[in-house]
Amino acid sequence: EVQLVQSGAEVREPGESLKISCKGSGYTFANFWIGWVRQMPGKGLEWMGVVYPGDSDTRYSPSFQGQVTISADKSISAAYLQWSSLKSSDTAMYYCAIVGVQDGFDFWGRGTLVTVSS
Amino acid sequence: QTVVTQEPSLSVSPGGTVTLTCGLTSGSVSTTYYPSWYQQTPGQAPRTLIYNTDSRSSGVPDRFSGSILGNKAALTITGAQAVDESHYYCVLYMGSDIWVFGGGTKVTVL
Repeated sequence: EVQLVQSGAEVREPGESLKISCKGSGYTFANFWIGWVRQMPGKGLEWMGVVYPGDSDTRYSPSFQGQVTISADKSISAAYLQWSSLKSSDTAMYYCAIVGVQDGFDFWGRGTLVTVSS
Repeated sequence: QTVVTQEPSLSVSPGGTVTLTCGLTSGSVSTTYYPSWYQQTPGQAPRTLIYNTDSRSSGVPDRFSGSILGNKAALTITGAQAVDESHYYCVLYMGSDIWVFGGGTKVTVL
């Protein structure tokens, strides 16, 4: 059974760093892109970027380039989304998903809620 | 920057048919954009309905269908049910491993 297990909810203050994770199982993790999607409170879904765990190749949406870092560690079947300095506007739910050109966002994690507040 | 467009809201009567569209501010949507569609109810992760224009994801009822209509991708719900009241998002593949979500359509069944 394919599973994407995301790390738990986080509360941080502005300026702090954060790294959230998405661990895959039930399939060959290295061979499929993992994408990250943001959903701000009451808003729609936004594609942030993808990582190919096999070689850690990454692509970013222009809207998120330079704002976050996406990475992966195929040895432990994990993908990551990290911030070096959080802003209150980073408060959102973040989803990971298995992504393919033809298959789209094929399988989704349950999301990680990030709250940034002083 | 190209924007993916969706109707902000649509309504349908129970048992009726509704078509949601997914377009581009510049250009036409074709199968080469590999359009996909997702359903999201409040508090839940998105659920994949349609991928590669018209392929239904596993377990998706056949009242959901995808197509290209004119210069847009389309999701049609035929025989809408109350459980279909939800937000629906399309995604287009822009090439070079870049994807863009539409703004979403809220479908009301009433």
